[in-house]
Amino acid sequence: DTAVSQTPKYLVTQMGNDKSIKCEQNLGHDTMYWYKQDSKKFLKIMFSYNNKELIINETVPNRFSPKSPDKAHLNLHINSLELGDSAVYFCASSQDARLQSEQYFGPGTRLTVT
Amino acid sequence: GENVEQHPSTLSVQEGDSAVIKCTYSDSASNYFPWYKQELGKGPQLIIDIRSNVGEKKDQRIAVTLNKTAKHFSLHITETQPEDSAVYFCAAIKNNNDMRFGAGTRLTVKP
Repeated sequence: DTAVSQTPKYLVTQMGNDKSIKCEQNLGHDTMYWYKQDSKKFLKIMFSYNNKELIINETVPNRFSPKSPDKAHLNLHINSLELGDSAVYFCASSQDARLQSEQYFGPGTRLTVT
Repeated sequence: GENVEQHPSTLSVQEGDSAVIKCTYSDSASNYFPWYKQELGKGPQLIIDIRSNVGEKKDQRIAVTLNKTAKHFSLHITETQPEDSAVYFCAAIKNNNDMRFGAGTRLTVKP
């Protein structure tokens, strides 16, 4: 049983395209997150949603739009992809919205923009 | 904003030796400090954490120490094993809505 799953695992696309990454958690958690990990392994939080409501929105270009159809799913849509968007994107979930709640990470989606 | 520095960036030890990774933070309001382990091709996994009202916490072979005055915290792994090889990240959290990660330490345990 996969706790936090992401699709696709790998995504290669050209500049200017629009793409989506999907995330699902079966832990019954209320809060979900998106993180970006760049080529130097630097990890940065992008968004968090609690019960479908956006609660953290770091300084991220508005080309990135998260969508949470229900509390078990948090998708990330990226418009007009740029070379600098190439990274590994991790989804995570936690029991509640406190950042001190243990977060469970998905396996990551490696996005390569050419 | 918060700034978290992590050292060293790479660390190589012999199996059985101890490994220590250090992080410093800039904002004294930070009050929660988790450590994550990321194995190759996987997402980070919480291994231990410490809150600002505690100076030390231990869980089997791993321990974390926190010096609030100096604003630094460290991860200690004793009796290292090859399966401890991974990238380790520290983080500092303030006000439950501000989370900053260190740049990571690649630990290699040689058998």
